[in-house]
Amino acid sequence: QQQVKQSPQSLIVQKGGISIINCAYENTAFDYFPWYQQFPGKGPALLIAIRPDVSEKKEGRFTISFNKSAKQFSLHIMDSQPGDSATYFCAATQAGTALIFGKGTTLSVSS
Amino acid sequence: GAVVSQHPSWVICKSGTSVKIECRSLDFQATTMFWYRQFPKQSLMLMATSNEGSKATYEQGVEKDKFLINHASLTLSTLTVTSAHPEDSSFYICSARLPGVNTEAFFGQGTRLTVV
Repeated sequence: QQQVKQSPQSLIVQKGGISIINCAYENTAFDYFPWYQQFPGKGPALLIAIRPDVSEKKEGRFTISFNKSAKQFSLHIMDSQPGDSATYFCAATQAGTALIFGKGTTLSVSS
Repeated sequence: GAVVSQHPSWVICKSGTSVKIECRSLDFQATTMFWYRQFPKQSLMLMATSNEGSKATYEQGVEKDKFLINHASLTLSTLTVTSAHPEDSSFYICSARLPGVNTEAFFGQGTRLTVV
């Protein structure tokens, strides 16, 4: 049973455009929702995270939107740049347990 | 952010030998660390949860006798792949969370294991 569903699997965006990646979860006990960025051959790096008591969080060009009733959250990358080309993973966890990851989205930003 | 250091970053070993991977939290104490495995173009799959001073908790389908985990101190966890076989070739990544509830998790840089 996949607890965190991520879409799309791949995404191509023009430079300057908005990249949107969506995730849905099933376990209502999840209480922490981070997004990670991973470059080939590297470990994931925390990008931004949100807790269910807020509906949106913005850090620079990155925004998480969170819909608790729909059990969905999304990552928006504004003004996408070629350097943003990477694989992005959403994740969820509860009470300090291990992160459960989505399957990942490969983002390509064309210049 | 906090730093998690993983060593080695890559290793090639012969089939049948054992390989040890170290994961260290450099600037914080981690009572719990996590070990993940990632195949090419796939997501991170949790292998086990490593608790300082106690036995690791393994996910279903992960052979505890093959993947030995030791968490002897608050800053060090090790994963030993015993009697490695080519199918064990993968990217192994450790993670540690800051103390407290709902805290950030930081990842090591990963170890690329190739068994020949």
